Formats: sequence, C-alpha cells, structure tokens
Amino acid sequence: EDQVTQSPEALRLQEGESSSLNCSYTVSGLRGLFWYRQDPGKGPEFLFTLYSAGEEKEKERLKATLTKKESFLHITAPKPEDSATYLCAVQTGANNLFFGTGTRLTVIP
Amino acid sequence: DAGITQSPRHKVTETGTPVTLRCHQTENHRYMYWYRQDPGHGLRLIHYSYGVKDTDKGEVSDGYSVSRSKTEDFLLTLESATSSQTSVYFCAISEDRDTEAFFGQGTRLTVV
Repeated sequence: EDQVTQSPEALRLQEGESSSLNCSYTVSGLRGLFWYRQDPGKGPEFLFTLYSAGEEKEKERLKATLTKKESFLHITAPKPEDSATYLCAVQTGANNLFFGTGTRLTVIP
Repeated sequence: DAGITQSPRHKVTETGTPVTLRCHQTENHRYMYWYRQDPGHGLRLIHYSYGVKDTDKGEVSDGYSVSRSKTEDFLLTLESATSSQTSVYFCAISEDRDTEAFFGQGTRLTVV
C-alpha cells in the first residue's frame, strides 16, 4: 500500500536553531516528491520537486534532499517567518499523488 | 501567486442540500484538481480533470461530481451534502500530471 509519513508532527525551534523534517515513503514507483509550505488559512505553496535519489534543491534557508526511502527538508538558521506547516507529497508510478499529514513548525524569536 | 480563484471562500449549508464550489484559473494549465483537507489526514484527491469535459475520480470521490466545460473553470458539486463533507476544499492546477501543482486559497465548507 502506498504510504507517506512525515515526522515529527510538530517541531518548536529557537530562532537560529537548525533542524530537519522527515518524509518517509513506501510507494510503487516514485515519479517525483514535492515539498509544500502551508500557512494557516491558506493553500499550500510549492517549494521543491525532487525526482531521483541523490538530488538536492535549495531555496534561501531551506534545502531538500532525497533518498530511495525518504526525503529531508533541512532548515538552516530558521527565522520566525519560517513558521508554517510543511507538507510532503509523493507522485507514484500510477500517477497518483499522496500527501503526508505535515510537520507544524514553530520558530520562536 | 498562480492565478487561481476559488469561490465561495466560506459556506455554511444544511444537510441534504446541493452545493457547488467553483475554481477559476488564468494560467491555461491543462490539469485541474479538487482536494479536501481534514485534520489527521493529508490532502486527499476528490476528482481531477485533464481537459475540457475530461475528468476522472480520485481517492475520495463518493458523493461528489465535477464538470469542466471551459479550460479555466472546474466545478465541484456535492449533490446532497452530508456532515462528513464538512471540510476545507482546495483547487489545484498543474501543467502536466507529474509536475508541481499550484493551489488556490481554499473553501471552508460547513454542513450542519
């Protein structure tokens, strides 16, 4: 059964305290893995797409990496404005897109 | 922001009434999607469209129907709303089936 699991469910960081969010998946044939950011009351905002193991993408304080079983979203020296829920989604070989339940990140000044 | 507009943004309706949510895009993307988002669940696909009058079911399609008569508009209809359909509904668009999707701001639907 195709499954996407994100951990931790919630994470509180001090401003400047780097950390990583995890997205592990078991799917039949990965076509792509997507990271989104979602602020309260808003729709998900696209961040990154990763297509193959070993691939990395960066944007400001965020860096996404991909292995054959999981993806990490690394946050370096986070700021309060990075507080949001981060969603991971996996596109399977059957072209279905499965979302994880997200990690709620709070960055404290 | 991708040009996606959902309407209405909020709606309260009674059990058993029909409800239609609208999604309008200005990006001319081929694919359009309807998702629902509930606590404890990831976003779940209801229906999607890959062209005018071309639609297919998603993971949680029971109780929902869709129509796409123009490239820019995708309608989601709840034929007879139930309390289990209380949720936040998101429309999304993408150029292709396996490229990134861009989401609208969502519609909060409450069925009482």
